[in-house]
Amino acid sequence: AQSVTQPDIHITVSEGASLELRCNYSYGATPYLFWYVQSPGQGLQLLLKYFSGDTLVQGIKGFEAEFKRSQSSFNLRKPSVHWSDAAEYFCAVAPNTGTASKLTFGTGTRLQVTL
Amino acid sequence: NAGVTQTPKFRILKIGQSMTLQCAQDMNHNYMYWYRQDPGMGLKLIYYSVGAGITDKGEVPNGYNVSRSTTEDFPLRLELAAPSQTSVYFCASSPLREGTEAFFGQGTRLTVV
Repeated sequence: AQSVTQPDIHITVSEGASLELRCNYSYGATPYLFWYVQSPGQGLQLLLKYFSGDTLVQGIKGFEAEFKRSQSSFNLRKPSVHWSDAAEYFCAVAPNTGTASKLTFGTGTRLQVTL
Repeated sequence: NAGVTQTPKFRILKIGQSMTLQCAQDMNHNYMYWYRQDPGMGLKLIYYSVGAGITDKGEVPNGYNVSRSTTEDFPLRLELAAPSQTSVYFCASSPLREGTEAFFGQGTRLTVV
């Protein structure tokens, strides 16, 4: 069965500093990969996704992620964090069967931004 | 753009009561899903549907039932509420075509006391 590991439960960064959130997955083949963000009391918003092709994907709000097949990783990065980026971030995978079905989520990383 | 709409947003149930969480989408998506979110656990799939009349169990289906009589609606039924079902429930939908993601509702926070 597939699984997703987000090793950092909580990360604190200063506004303007760079950010990297880690995500590793276990799956028999290359799955579809996603990063979602959840602000307090809100639903999940898609930041970016990887289905195929270029392993460096750009998302909304200045985020990017790099798929590394050899490391089974899909780490999320942002060069300069803004206070409004404080939220919980979820990495997720889905079988590469043609549509984004049956997501398996990591346990999330809560990002705190200090001014 | 309504997207995925969940009702109610909050609910408190007593042990043994039943209720239905409503989910509707207006994007004509084939796939619909129910997830629950518990602190520190991420989201886990309860049930999903690939189209009207077709449903299947996810990772944590016990204590829940679903039906899908139309493309738009995918209600989740709790028959005998238990404290272990205290959680935040998210409904999502996705289209059939490749290269698209799931769209989530705003969630229903359920407390069973």
